[in-house]
Formats: sequence, C-alpha cells, structure tokens
Amino acid sequence: EPEVTQTPSHQVTQMGQEVILRCVPISNHLYFYWYRQILGQKVEFLVSFYNNEISEKSEIFDDQFSVERPDGSNFTLKIRSTKLEDSAMYFCASRGLTYEQYFGPGTRLTVT
Amino acid sequence: AQTVTQSQPEMSVQEAETVTLSCTYDTSESNYYLFWYKQPPSRQMILVIRQEAYKQQNATENRFSVNFQKAAKSFSLKISDSQLGDTAMYFCAFMVTYTGANSKLTFGKGITLSVRP
Repeated sequence: EPEVTQTPSHQVTQMGQEVILRCVPISNHLYFYWYRQILGQKVEFLVSFYNNEISEKSEIFDDQFSVERPDGSNFTLKIRSTKLEDSAMYFCASRGLTYEQYFGPGTRLTVT
Repeated sequence: AQTVTQSQPEMSVQEAETVTLSCTYDTSESNYYLFWYKQPPSRQMILVIRQEAYKQQNATENRFSVNFQKAAKSFSLKISDSQLGDTAMYFCAFMVTYTGANSKLTFGKGITLSVRP
C-alpha cells in the first residue's frame, strides 16, 4: 500500500540553524500539507501546497518557514533560523482527489 | 472559523468492551467532512474513519463506527470489542470541502484512550 515517507525521523539542531525536513508524498497525490504537533498538544496546520504554490498558510508559518517541491517526488519544509519553540513533531500529509489526508510518520525536531 | 472540541482528556475501557469518544464542532459551512485519526505511542497519525456531512448514514469501518448528529454538531466515535492495540490518542478533525477550499484539517485536542487487559 502506498504511503507517505518522511526523513529524518529525528533531527537535533542548535538554535539559529537552518533545517530542512523532507517528505515523499504518495505518488499520484496532488495536495500536500505540513502540520506540527508540540508534545502533548493538538496537531496544528502550517501550510497547504497545490499546483506548485502555497494555497494557504497559518499564522505559525511566518517568514522563517518555506516549502518547496523541487522535483516530482519530494516536498520539503525549511526553517531558516530555528528557535526553541520550533521543537515539535512535524507531519507531512498528502491527498488525491478524495478528501482523505494520509500522514507520514513525522519528523521529531529538537532545537537546543 | 471552525472549531473542534474534545472535552474528555482521557478514557479507559476494559478489553472487549465498547467505548464512545465524544467530539463536537462549530462551523457555518454546509459542505464538510469529519474524521477520526488515531495516534499510537509511535506518534504516527492513522486515519480511522470519515463522515461526509451530506450523508445521513453513519460511517462504519469494522469495529469503528460514528454517531453523526449534524443538527447538534456532534461526531462521536464508537469502538466495539476494544483491543489492546486500540490504546492511543484519538483526534477528531474537520475539513471544509467546497470547491477552491484548500481542505486543511482542523483538529481537536485529542483524547487518550487506554484499553485495560
């Protein structure tokens, strides 16, 4: 069964450093999303991406964040200068023409 | 804006028993879907079941079923014959589905379900 994959599973970085989180969505999907979950809290929407552009972003998704689909398979989330409060689990999700979103296993980001 | 409320932070159920997890939502939209996602200790988000708002019939997936009360804006999940593997956090989620909507998910805070042997 096709699945969304994410790398790395765990990333530790120092405050102020740039990180890139990578996702490979399900191959025939058209809509891509990033969500984050701070430990013990609910899952929050960050950004949605369709047709090679951002379709919506949340207040969390400020100028420090960017997304890219550099080729036909990868979907990346970049945080330019990480802060302590960026420590969270980051989930990539994708969907096709139906409305079910399928999530990857997540990347745990720890900022020290 | 849409809100999703899960007011019970924790529940516990004996193996093989039935448990119901509550969720309410608030929206002025008429076209939407509702979902339940399961998050086991691995923290993977797994889709359990979905309900289209335009359908009156409640969705069912094996041991999982929903009670969708559109007028009351209530969407509860019933798990029958609970199994130890059902131990997880369960999130209720809402999605607007009209054409042009970006279809982001709005999640509730989640409920921790423990299944006792």
